Amino acid sequence: QQQVKQSPQSLIVQKGGISIINCAYENTAFDYFPWYQQFPGKGPALLIAIRPDVSEKKEGRFTISFNKSAKQFSLHIMDSQPGDSATYFCAASIGGGGADGLTFGKGTHLIIQP
Amino acid sequence: DSGVTQTPKHLITATGQRVTLRCSPRSGDLSVYWYQQSLDQGLQFLIQYYNGEERAKGNILERFSAQQFPDLHSELNLSSLELGDSALYFCASSATYGGGETQYFGPGTRLLVL
Repeated sequence: QQQVKQSPQSLIVQKGGISIINCAYENTAFDYFPWYQQFPGKGPALLIAIRPDVSEKKEGRFTISFNKSAKQFSLHIMDSQPGDSATYFCAASIGGGGADGLTFGKGTHLIIQP
Repeated sequence: DSGVTQTPKHLITATGQRVTLRCSPRSGDLSVYWYQQSLDQGLQFLIQYYNGEERAKGNILERFSAQQFPDLHSELNLSSLELGDSALYFCASSATYGGGETQYFGPGTRLLVL
């Protein structure tokens, strides 16, 4: 059973455009929602994270929008740049990523075209 | 560079064999997590250790085991290997557990079972 569903699988965006990746979760006990960025040959790296007590979090060009009632959250990348080309994973956990580890979505392969 | 080191980087072995993957967490981090990344299953949480004690288990097979030593490095042992065990294995570490602790991922060990 996939507890975190991520879409789209792949995404092509023009430089300067907005990249949007969506995730939906099933387990209402999840209380920590990070996004990870992974470049080829590297391990995932934390990009930004949110807790369900806020509906939006912004860090630079990256914004997480969170809809608790719909059990959905999304990553927006503003002014997308070729250097943002990577695979992005949403994730969720109970207890803030401590006791249970992270449950990941299947990932979105993002390509930013110059 | 996340500060998490993993060895070896690549490992090629045969079915039925046993291998050991090693992870050194970031300096000062007490928690170690193991994840498996494959094309069909994505990133899956296997097991977590905190200060030498097992804290949580995910989708870890009975043929797999792990431990965390007094110096906080961790080893993941994979035995009776099957073709389907071919994957990237990541180790991550965090300072403690719970409360939204950021997990820092190592570069991974790529295992190929022939």
